[in-house]
Amino acid sequence: GAGVSQSPSNKVTEKGKDVELRCDPISGHTALYWYRQSLGQGLEFLIYFQGNSAPDKSGLPSDRFSAERTGGSVSTLTIQRTQQEDSAVYLCASSLAGTATEAFFGQGTRLTVV
Amino acid sequence: DAKTTQPTSMDCAEGRAANLPCNHSTISGNEYVYWYRQIHSQGPQYIIHGLKNNETNEMASLIITEDRKSSTLILPHATLRDTAVYYCIVRSAGSSNTGKLIFGQGTTLQVKP
Repeated sequence: GAGVSQSPSNKVTEKGKDVELRCDPISGHTALYWYRQSLGQGLEFLIYFQGNSAPDKSGLPSDRFSAERTGGSVSTLTIQRTQQEDSAVYLCASSLAGTATEAFFGQGTRLTVV
Repeated sequence: DAKTTQPTSMDCAEGRAANLPCNHSTISGNEYVYWYRQIHSQGPQYIIHGLKNNETNEMASLIITEDRKSSTLILPHATLRDTAVYYCIVRSAGSSNTGKLIFGQGTTLQVKP
């Protein structure tokens, strides 16, 4: 597809389970970002990838959160031992290298921890 | 922390121009001003960005003051579908910077019939 694709679009999981969220960036985009948006709140930065490396992980809220990117393309955000406060929409964005280029967002994965 | 200040909410009549202000008094010389909007339950949508010159595209115009400490996003003919939260963001440049977008609380624009 032409845009950033995220899957699943919705995920309901039980407290304590692990979940994986997937992001397919726009082809050729080397920069990839993960954000989290809790209900009624603004977007919170989680992690930034340039290629397969993550030079900025400053937004990950705890060691239960991790992310990887392979082949400079697909990225997976993993949340271990999910808690109810992890419930949020998780958004992915990608852009070309450089900050004078716009970043495009996917439609997000809505995670509900019950 | 977000480096911008925006009004919490604004109203605009349908068909009229919507002018959304943003203050970024601590902006550095190599930082860009970006605008995004988020319509309910959707991912943020890119609108426009600029460094120091005014910019225009099919969606909007961006007016940046000469001292770059503030800017205004102009939607020339607002429609009901422009109702959204509008985010003004200062994005850092430079090879050592990630270019991450730091979102504040934005301005909720309500376009009314």
